[in-house]
Amino acid sequence: EVQLVESGGGLVQPGGSLRLSCAASGFTFTNYAMSWVRQAPGKGLEWVSAISGGGDSTYYADSVKGRFTISRDNSKNTLYLQMSSLRAEDTALYYCAKRTAVGTPFGSFDCWGQGTLVTVSS
Amino acid sequence: EIVLTQSPGTLSLSPGERATLSCRASQSVSSSYLAWYQQKPGQAPRLLIYGASTRATGIPDRFSGSGSGTDFTLTISRLEPEDFAVYYCQQYGSSPPITFGQGTRLESK
Repeated sequence: EVQLVESGGGLVQPGGSLRLSCAASGFTFTNYAMSWVRQAPGKGLEWVSAISGGGDSTYYADSVKGRFTISRDNSKNTLYLQMSSLRAEDTALYYCAKRTAVGTPFGSFDCWGQGTLVTVSS
Repeated sequence: EIVLTQSPGTLSLSPGERATLSCRASQSVSSSYLAWYQQKPGQAPRLLIYGASTRATGIPDRFSGSGSGTDFTLTISRLEPEDFAVYYCQQYGSSPPITFGQGTRLESK
């Protein structure tokens, strides 16, 4: 069974940092691009970042470019999101999501984790 | 960046009725790289349709997707009680960035 489990969320002050993790199982992790997608409380979905299967290509939404870094450790089947210079508007439930098919980093997502909540507040 | 606009914002229907949800793009979505998701309260989104019209694994055939270019539609042929949820469209043909519509809430009348 394909499974994604996020962790690392919590309460952080504005300007602070946090690292999210997503542990993957049930599929050949290195074959699939992965993304982070967030959802502010009561709001819609916002794509945050994507990374290729090999980890050599990364992409970011303008809203997080220069502040967030996506990475992956294929030996540990784990995806990461390092977040710094956090702002109140980064408050959201952060999902990791698996690309439906092998190929480019951009596609639909056929598996999502349960999400980890990041709250940025003083 | 491609902006996706979903309509209506809220759709009120009864079980057994047909639902038609619209997703309009600000520019053409290349190769029909458009997906639809269902999200229920407290749950992660669930992929329903990708490539504009291909049902994802395990999705009942009462769900169908159609469209191309800038206009796409998700149709639920006969609503079941479990279909009442929020639906999002997503484009991935002109990325980055991947973009989502703002969602359509399908509620039981």
